[in-house]
Parts: sequence; structure tokens; C-alpha cells
Amino acid sequence: GAVVSQHPSWVICKSGTSVKIECRSLDFQATTMFWYRQFPKQSLMLMATSNEGSKATYEQGVEKDKFLINHASLTLSTLTVTSAHPEDSSFYICSARDGAAQETQYFGPGTRLLVL
Amino acid sequence: AQSVAQPEDQVNVAEGNPLTVKCTYSVSGNPYLFWYVQYPNRGLQFLLKYITGDNLVKGSYGFEAEFNKSQTSFHLKKPSALVSDSALYFCAVRDGTGRRALTFGSGTRLQVQP
Repeated sequence: GAVVSQHPSWVICKSGTSVKIECRSLDFQATTMFWYRQFPKQSLMLMATSNEGSKATYEQGVEKDKFLINHASLTLSTLTVTSAHPEDSSFYICSARDGAAQETQYFGPGTRLLVL
Repeated sequence: AQSVAQPEDQVNVAEGNPLTVKCTYSVSGNPYLFWYVQYPNRGLQFLLKYITGDNLVKGSYGFEAEFNKSQTSFHLKKPSALVSDSALYFCAVRDGTGRRALTFGSGTRLQVQP
């Protein structure tokens, strides 16, 4: 199946710093990527939809200035958590939609963020 | 609005026995339905999907799911469970004609006992 990578797999940072997470589709082109957040023992919550070459669409309650999304190419989307605070600590997962595979979304391995 | 319900937080089954993980959905248009599995501290792995066609869908690792339109269900099944199947399973849906983001169920933890 299609492969989606995320980097880094985990990151620890100080409060107030910014953290960038990369999501790459390795063997297919993804015009649309999605960013999710998952709290312990909970389901995935969609944060935003990232469209190549255009602005991301954010879900209600997600601060676009806090979570900056850039989808500069058909294989790369980035999520930047700006001025991170401890409450931003979470597991962030991206997915990429493979239009050639009947709309199947393939997920990255996730990035665990811990803000001290 | 679309939604997914997974009524069981956890399912316990003995190795070698059949397993079922339940999922019901609500969507305004034709549903696209998916099952994913998540192992600890990992992302989601795609298992199978229903878009159109045969109501019985076969997927990875011997899993299958049956789409039942009248009951709006898409239960995940496997004839003989393995200990290695123990993981967290998510059902997801999207409207085939509307927005392309998936809505996930709350997840069901499957525990297969040896």
C-alpha cells in the first residue's frame, strides 16, 4: 500500500518555541492531506485539511495562527505549532488522500509532541 | 453532519475464535466506509474500505466487513482471531459527495487472549 512518512517521530521542546512537523507521501501524489490530533485513549480529531497550492481549511475551534499549515508540493505538507505550550502536547497524525486508490486515506506513523 | 458509533470500548475474544467489532454510521449521502487499526504509539494502518459494489469487503490480515445499508452498519469481522490482532480499531466514514475528511468512531480495543 501507499506510504506516508512523518518527521520527527517525537519531539520535546520548551514552552514558547515553535515546532515543525513534516508529512510526506512517498509513492503517490496527494493533493489533499489532513492533520489530526489524538489525545491518550481517544479517537482522532481532525484539525485541518491541507490543499496543495491553497490555504488550509481549519476545523472549528482550531486556531489557524497557532497551527500553521503549508502544503507546498504534491508530496509534502507541514504543520508548525507556534509558541507551543504544555496543553499542545499530543500525538499529531497526518494522512494523505490517494485519489487513484478510490479516495483511501493513508496515515503517517504520528509525531508525539511534549512541551515542557 | 456525519457520525460514527463504535458501541464497545473493548472486545475480548479467545485466540482461534471469531471476532466482531461493531460500527454504525450516519451520513447524508452515499457512505464511504473504512476500517483502520492502530498499534501502540503508531499511526493508523488501513485495513479495508467500502465504496460501492459487493456488500462483503475483504481486507488485510484476513479481516472482512459487511456493509448493511438498512442497518447503517459496517461491522468488522475475522473468522479466527490471533493474539497479534490485539490493537485499537477505528471505523471511519465520509460522505461520498461532500467533504473529503473522515469522521472517526471512538475506537474499540480488541484483546485476543491466548
